[in-house]
Amino acid sequence: QVTLKESGPVLVKPTETLTLTCTVSGFSLSNARMGVSWIRQPPGKALEWLAHIFSNDEKSYSTSLKSRLTISKDTSKSQVVLTMTNMDPVDTATYYCARMLVGSSSPFNWFDPWGQGTLVTVSS
Amino acid sequence: DIQMTQSPSSLSASVGDRVTITCRASQSISSYLNWYQQKPGKAPKLLIYAASSLQSGVPSRFSGSGSGTDFTLTISSLQPEDFATYYCQQSYSRGGLTFGGGTKVEIK
Repeated sequence: QVTLKESGPVLVKPTETLTLTCTVSGFSLSNARMGVSWIRQPPGKALEWLAHIFSNDEKSYSTSLKSRLTISKDTSKSQVVLTMTNMDPVDTATYYCARMLVGSSSPFNWFDPWGQGTLVTVSS
Repeated sequence: DIQMTQSPSSLSASVGDRVTITCRASQSISSYLNWYQQKPGKAPKLLIYAASSLQSGVPSRFSGSGSGTDFTLTISSLQPEDFATYYCQQSYSRGGLTFGGGTKVEIK
């Protein structure tokens, strides 16, 4: 069974750095057909993709947040870590990690499954 | 970045109704389009991938169509458990994945 679970602080202060960890099970972060993304959702709003890390350690970031984000992985620990600097109240959101799966016989890719999410509130 | 526009942003429907949700991309994305369902307080769940492929375990009343810039999610006969918010997502640009703004399906 494939699962992902997010962990990290529930409350951070403005200007602080947020560090979130996604611990995966049921698949390997070295699998060429799989990667992990971070996605967030402010209360009552839409989903926003943040960053992705591929099995070959290639990384990609949201254009609007690129300067504040760093994604990394520790394959031996089955963990993907996201850091976001200079947190602001507008960054208050539920943060999800999700596995990206690439089709076995096609180039298409999709998110499945998702972690349960973790709500991070930014407030002094 | 590729922009994804969903319409409508919300709709009211009755059990048994046929429901159609549209998603438009700002540039051609071939069939790199996925659909997710999200219920309140829960993580999104994959329904459709590659524009028209039904994810395992998803009821056959859900279907997806389209290619290029225009896509549709159809629920052939709305069931009580289908009241949720639906999101489209393009996976064409792996360096810049984007979601639509969501469509909330409510009970009439």
